Amino acid sequence: QVQLQESGPRLVKPSQTLSLTCTVSGGSISSGGYYWTWIRQHPGKGLEWIGYIYYSGSTYYNPSLKSRVTISVDTSKNQFSLKLTSVTVADTAVYYCARDSGYMTTDHWGQGTLVTVSS
Amino acid sequence: QSGLTQPPSVSGSPGQSVTISCTGTSSDVGSHNRVSWYQQPPGTAPKLMIYEVSDRPSGVPDRFSGSKSGNTASLTISGLQAEDEAYYYCSSYTSSRTCVFGGGTRLTVL
Repeated sequence: QVQLQESGPRLVKPSQTLSLTCTVSGGSISSGGYYWTWIRQHPGKGLEWIGYIYYSGSTYYNPSLKSRVTISVDTSKNQFSLKLTSVTVADTAVYYCARDSGYMTTDHWGQGTLVTVSS
Repeated sequence: QSGLTQPPSVSGSPGQSVTISCTGTSSDVGSHNRVSWYQQPPGTAPKLMIYEVSDRPSGVPDRFSGSKSGNTASLTISGLQAEDEAYYYCSSYTSSRTCVFGGGTRLTVL
């Protein structure tokens, strides 16, 4: 059974870079066939797709965040990561990493981690 | 890309059926059979309930069904149970190879 776990700082200052890592267990990122995804949820609000990466490094991003987002993969550690630059309080959210089995079918999710942007 | 449109809330009594709509555009729901539905009880991560419009992952009860007509997809839950009370989100693949979510619908079991 694939499991995903987010890790990283829970508090980020405005204008700085939010960095999170997702560690995948129970399956290999480099085996292919899946897209490794970041999704966020503002407090009390709906889900927002941030983007995904294939093991080869191909990425697709939400157009509204594209200028600030980078998703990368480290197959040797079976991890993928999210960087979001120039954060503001509006980036405070629960960030989920997840596995997409194709065409936005997100079948495995991490538990989510709340990241707060505050000075 | 704009989000998909869902009703903010729906409700039903145990045993009844409810349907949640999800309206998009010809660039997402209307042009791809790649609509998914997720269930999210408060404080938990979302769970995939329906994918590719009407397919159910293993373990999801057949009380949950999905359909699509034009730019609108629908999730129907029959034989409502108290445990179905949660938020439900739709999502769709888009022609830009991205994903868009609906705003979410709160299901209340009366």
